[in-house]
Amino acid sequence: EAQVTQNPRYLITVTGKKLTVTCSQNMNHEYMSWYRQDPGLGLRQIYYSMNVEVTDKGDVPEGYKVSRKEKRNFPLILESPSPNQTSLYFCASSLRPGQGQPQHFGDGTRLSIL
Amino acid sequence: LAKTTQPISMDSYEGQEVNITCSHNNIATNDYITWYQQFPSQGPRFIIQGYKTKVTNEVASLFIPADRKSSTLSLPRVSLSDTAVYYCLVAPDNDYKLSFGAGTTVTVRA
Repeated sequence: EAQVTQNPRYLITVTGKKLTVTCSQNMNHEYMSWYRQDPGLGLRQIYYSMNVEVTDKGDVPEGYKVSRKEKRNFPLILESPSPNQTSLYFCASSLRPGQGQPQHFGDGTRLSIL
Repeated sequence: LAKTTQPISMDSYEGQEVNITCSHNNIATNDYITWYQQFPSQGPRFIIQGYKTKVTNEVASLFIPADRKSSTLSLPRVSLSDTAVYYCLVAPDNDYKLSFGAGTTVTVRA
């Protein structure tokens, strides 16, 4: 089954404790992206990757890191999490955005930073 | 990057048609218009996509006027299960930086 898998689905942690949210897709997609979703703000893009070793900033990259060492994986790293990063996070992938290539989203990761 | 504007919320009743209009005044020539649906605690799900005129699938229709400065998602005969947030996204051909608006919360009542 074609899917985007995020782990963990839920995490409660404390300020400053490094964490990683994993994202994996099994569709051989080139493009992957991370979003955060906050009430009233919709989905805001954090980082995206056009292919292995190629990443770039989205609208809200501050406080986050990503890496794309393999095509299928695109982890989101919070080196020193703060309470303002408490949010619902989604990973997505597509062959490429635009030109008839819609994005496939994971089921989300709810992070709470105390 | 085309900015989109949608109504914040819409209410409807079962069996009615729901039309959601998205404004994208600075859409570029090669941009596609894509709509997603999101239920609580789930990721957005692709509904329909178009470039110009009208597109129809088993779920919805998408109307795009000639100037492409807006688009309308039409959900025929909605049911309670269509209660969700609907996002309009304008996807550029030469840029991978995507921007979702705040979406439209559609509430369908019995």
